[in-house]
Amino acid sequence: GDSVTQMEGPVTLSEEAFLTINCTYTATGYPSLFWYVQYPGEGLQLLLKATKADDKGSNKGFEATYRKETTSFHLEKGSVQVSDSAVYFCALRMNSGGYQKVTFGIGTKLQVIP
Amino acid sequence: DGGITQSPKYLFRKEGQNVTLSCEQNLNHDAMYWYRQDPGQGLRLIYYSQIVNDFQKGDIAEGYSVSREKKESFPLTVTSAQKNPTAFYLCATSSGTSGSHEQLFGPGTRLTVL
Repeated sequence: GDSVTQMEGPVTLSEEAFLTINCTYTATGYPSLFWYVQYPGEGLQLLLKATKADDKGSNKGFEATYRKETTSFHLEKGSVQVSDSAVYFCALRMNSGGYQKVTFGIGTKLQVIP
Repeated sequence: DGGITQSPKYLFRKEGQNVTLSCEQNLNHDAMYWYRQDPGQGLRLIYYSQIVNDFQKGDIAEGYSVSREKKESFPLTVTSAQKNPTAFYLCATSSGTSGSHEQLFGPGTRLTVL
């Protein structure tokens, strides 16, 4: 079946450091890919998305590029802030029996220290 | 203000009790979903509904029940048959189930069994 792999973390960075959170996926077709962010005690917020190969999603300084050849969708940010501390979920969406099923990774916790 | 509301934010259940979690949306979205979130496991799909009066089991439906009598409401009942119900429950909606319709999430309900 479809799956998403990401490290659980925590990833600890100093403020203004460069961030990369790796995400790789396994799917039988061509999924849409998403990054969600979850702040403590809250629901998930859509951060960015890409619907086809070579698309780049971007939002709030975060970027991710849909790489079909490496089945990856790594999240990057050039300079993190303390306010970016959260859990980040990579997800894919594929057709499954007429229903577009979303498969989530386990989430990567990011801690940014001043 | 358009959005998804979940209530209550915190819920405590005694052993053997059924409890119902509320999810309401005013986004006019057709599809609604319930997920369960446990530490280190990401999100797992419990039930989903693509239209009123229709719903389907997800990956972990045992011990749960739902109804979809109105477009804007999709309540989840956690029954006494659910052996380990303590978790964070997230409701989501999407405007469709095809293409790149992303899922939007409510703020969640944390259920604790006493």
